[in-house]
Amino acid sequence: EDQVTQSPEALRLQEGESSSLNCSYTVSGLRGLFWYRQDPGKGPEFLFTLYSAGEEKEKERLKATLTKKESFLHITAPKPEDSATYLCAVQLNAGNMLTFGGGTRLMVKP
Amino acid sequence: DGGITQSPKYLFRKEGQNVTLSCEQNLNHDAMYWYRQDPGQGLRLIYYSQIVNDFQKGDIAEGYSVSREKKESFPLTVTSAQKNPTAFYLCASSGGGRAKNIQYFGAGTRLSVL
Repeated sequence: EDQVTQSPEALRLQEGESSSLNCSYTVSGLRGLFWYRQDPGKGPEFLFTLYSAGEEKEKERLKATLTKKESFLHITAPKPEDSATYLCAVQLNAGNMLTFGGGTRLMVKP
Repeated sequence: DGGITQSPKYLFRKEGQNVTLSCEQNLNHDAMYWYRQDPGQGLRLIYYSQIVNDFQKGDIAEGYSVSREKKESFPLTVTSAQKNPTAFYLCASSGGGRAKNIQYFGAGTRLSVL
């Protein structure tokens, strides 16, 4: 069975304290891995897509990396406005559907 | 502005009642999706449609129904058969070109039971 697991479930950081969020997956035939940001009461906002092991993408303080079994979302010197839930999802070769992990709730304190 | 519009933002259902959630997109996307999100959890796929007049069940379709009569619209009906409908419902769409695999989401509808 295809599974996507995110850890930790929640993460508290001080402003400026860098860290990483993990997304591990056990799927057959990965087509792409997606990262989204979700603010409370709102829809997910697309951040990155990674397609092959070794690929990296960056946007401001965020950097996403991909291996054959997991992806990391690195947050460098976070600010309070980075507080949100970060969701990862995998897309299989069989179609366009996404299978989501449970998310990591990030809280950055000033 | 191109985007996905979900309405209403909040919806209340009485016992035994069917309710319909609206999802409209002006992105000219072929594919549309409905997800359910429970507190503190990820998204689960209810139904999806790759093209007009065609749709498939997702992982948790029981108690829900959809239609896709127009490319722009993909309404979701939560029927009285859905015994635990309280959740945050999200609609998404994906289209052509280089970004065809990326799903873009609406702002969501929060459904509660009275």
